[in-house]
Amino acid sequence: AQTVTQSQPEMSVQEAETVTLSCTYDTSESDYYLFWYKQPPSRQMILVIRQEAYKQQNATENRFSVNFQKAAKSFSLKISDSQLGDAAMYFCASQGGSEKLVFGKGTKLTVNP
Amino acid sequence: DTGVSQNPRHKITKRGQNVTFRCDPISEHNRLYWYRQTLGQGPEFLTYFQNEAQLEKSRLLSDRFSAERPKGSFSTLEIQRTEQGDSAMYLCASSPYAGTRYEQYFGPGTRLTVT
Repeated sequence: AQTVTQSQPEMSVQEAETVTLSCTYDTSESDYYLFWYKQPPSRQMILVIRQEAYKQQNATENRFSVNFQKAAKSFSLKISDSQLGDAAMYFCASQGGSEKLVFGKGTKLTVNP
Repeated sequence: DTGVSQNPRHKITKRGQNVTFRCDPISEHNRLYWYRQTLGQGPEFLTYFQNEAQLEKSRLLSDRFSAERPKGSFSTLEIQRTEQGDSAMYLCASSPYAGTRYEQYFGPGTRLTVT
């Protein structure tokens, strides 16, 4: 079974600053994928970034990057140059052999102007 | 807009009533997924389809729940004899191919309130 844990229910950051959201996971599978999804208030969930477990290089997407520590089963998300539009719930998720996504409980990110 | 659509967006029903939700995936996406999200939690997997075949069902999907995708296009999720514990956001997602490498695109969800 897969589990995903997000230990920060809420985080806040000043506009233009950098923030890191934490995620740990557990899986018995050797081939799996990790994701960060963003869910803005009253809007649909969108994919922020994806990491294949077999790749050692950390994924980056513009201002978003991850720190993937496979041995520690850690997958944190770094948001650089935070913008007001980054305010949302952020969910970490894993996907193994089954196609279902297993989500953490989420972190609510507030961006202060 | 060619994204995943869900109807209705909101549904209020009395305990014991049946409800049905509809999901229209992105055109030509052959994978369709249903998740349930309760307040303060992340989404939990319910079931998924490849075309019209239902490939996996969660233990969360009790016998009061049934999902169909009759022609491999839209899908319906029916809840019979609703209970207050069924109150949640029901999310639908689709993806274009089999396997884990493809993104799941989510719809806006149907919020169910059981009174």
